[in-house]
Amino acid sequence: DQQVKQNSPSLSVQEGRISILNCDYTNSMFDYFLWYKKYPAEGPTFLISISSIKDKNEDGRFTVFLNKSAKHLSLHIVPSQPGDSAVYFCAASAPGGTSYGKLTFGQGTILTVHP
Amino acid sequence: DADVTQTPRNRITKTGKRIMLECSQTKGHDRMYWYRQDPGLGLRLIYYSFDVKDINKGEISDGYSVSRQAQAKFSLSLESAIPNQTALYFCATSDPRTGNNEQFFGPGTRLTVL
Repeated sequence: DQQVKQNSPSLSVQEGRISILNCDYTNSMFDYFLWYKKYPAEGPTFLISISSIKDKNEDGRFTVFLNKSAKHLSLHIVPSQPGDSAVYFCAASAPGGTSYGKLTFGQGTILTVHP
Repeated sequence: DADVTQTPRNRITKTGKRIMLECSQTKGHDRMYWYRQDPGLGLRLIYYSFDVKDINKGEISDGYSVSRQAQAKFSLSLESAIPNQTALYFCATSDPRTGNNEQFFGPGTRLTVL
């Protein structure tokens, strides 16, 4: 049962344009969401996060939007740069008990930004 | 120096062999995790440890075991490796005091079981 889903395995974007990566979740207990970026031969690195009490969080070129009613979040990268080419993972966590501190990851989306 | 290190970085082994993957961290975090990454499946949790005396199974623990030798060290063992354990393995750490559930990952170990 895939509780966090990234339905687009890949995305190709022109440099300077917007990249939009999507993520859906099924567990209504999730209250914190993170995006990770992964380059080849490296481990994932944290990019940006959002708490369920917010619907938007910005950090420079990166913005994450959360739609709780639709159980959907998205990562916007504007403007996209060739160095943004990587695999992007969406992750979610639930509060309290045995779930606290554990992350559930999506399958990942390969973003390619063309010069 | 890397905060989370994994050894070896690459390993090729044969079916039935015992293998250990090691993880060390200098971040001072109590929590450590082992994941595997497979194409199309993302990162899946194998085992996690919230402190030295705490070991918990993740979603895919069958065929694996772990040892938390110290706060800084968390090892993953495959007692009898099989080909479908061929994957990229990541160790991660976190500090619950930050309140944001961010995990810090090592560079990964690419394991091939022939």
